Amino acid sequence: AQKITQTQPGMFVQEKEAVTLDCTYDTSDPSYGLFWYKQPSSGEMIFLIYQGSYDQQNATEGRYSLNFQKARKSANLVISASQLGDSAMYFCAMRETNTDKLIFGTGTRLQVFP
Amino acid sequence: GAVVSQHPSWVICKSGTSVKIECRSLDFQATTMFWYRQFPKQSLMLMATSNEGSKATYEQGVEKDKFLINHASLTLSTLTVTSAHPEDSSFYICSASMETGPSYEQYFGPGTRLTVT
Repeated sequence: AQKITQTQPGMFVQEKEAVTLDCTYDTSDPSYGLFWYKQPSSGEMIFLIYQGSYDQQNATEGRYSLNFQKARKSANLVISASQLGDSAMYFCAMRETNTDKLIFGTGTRLQVFP
Repeated sequence: GAVVSQHPSWVICKSGTSVKIECRSLDFQATTMFWYRQFPKQSLMLMATSNEGSKATYEQGVEKDKFLINHASLTLSTLTVTSAHPEDSSFYICSASMETGPSYEQYFGPGTRLTVT
């Protein structure tokens, strides 16, 4: 069965510094997609970045980049130049080809301090 | 583009009553809609997947007679929590997708906070 693991319940980072949020996954499907979402205290889920299993290059979206290591089945999110507004819960999720379901990890609470 | 709305954003109901939550895709046709449940400080748990005009597919452990899902059109899905109890209090989030396949994003609604007293 597919599974997403986020081992960091909480992370602290100083403003303007970079931070890496860990995510590992397990699936037997050769085709899948990996997503990162941000959930502020308001509850909305904000899409950040996507990585396809066949993508050769790591995905980047502005200050967000995804460190995709397929052999290790990891998809870590890197946030560069952290801002106070980055403080939120961050969820890693996986979607397989044969289903449309998103399986979420347990999340990491990121707190950015001045 | 790709906006999903939910109504209401929060609701308080008495134990034993039913409550309906609407999920609408405002500017696209959603082939599939999903309903998630999130308890405080926990992750999102998929409850069911619905396709327009067909019965919803419920995840294991989700009572389909308690959580009624109707996907009447390509832009509207509803979740009805029947005979609500305090343990049903939770944050309910819907999402919608336009295409199948791993690369296509699910667009999330803002969520509905249900409190059962």
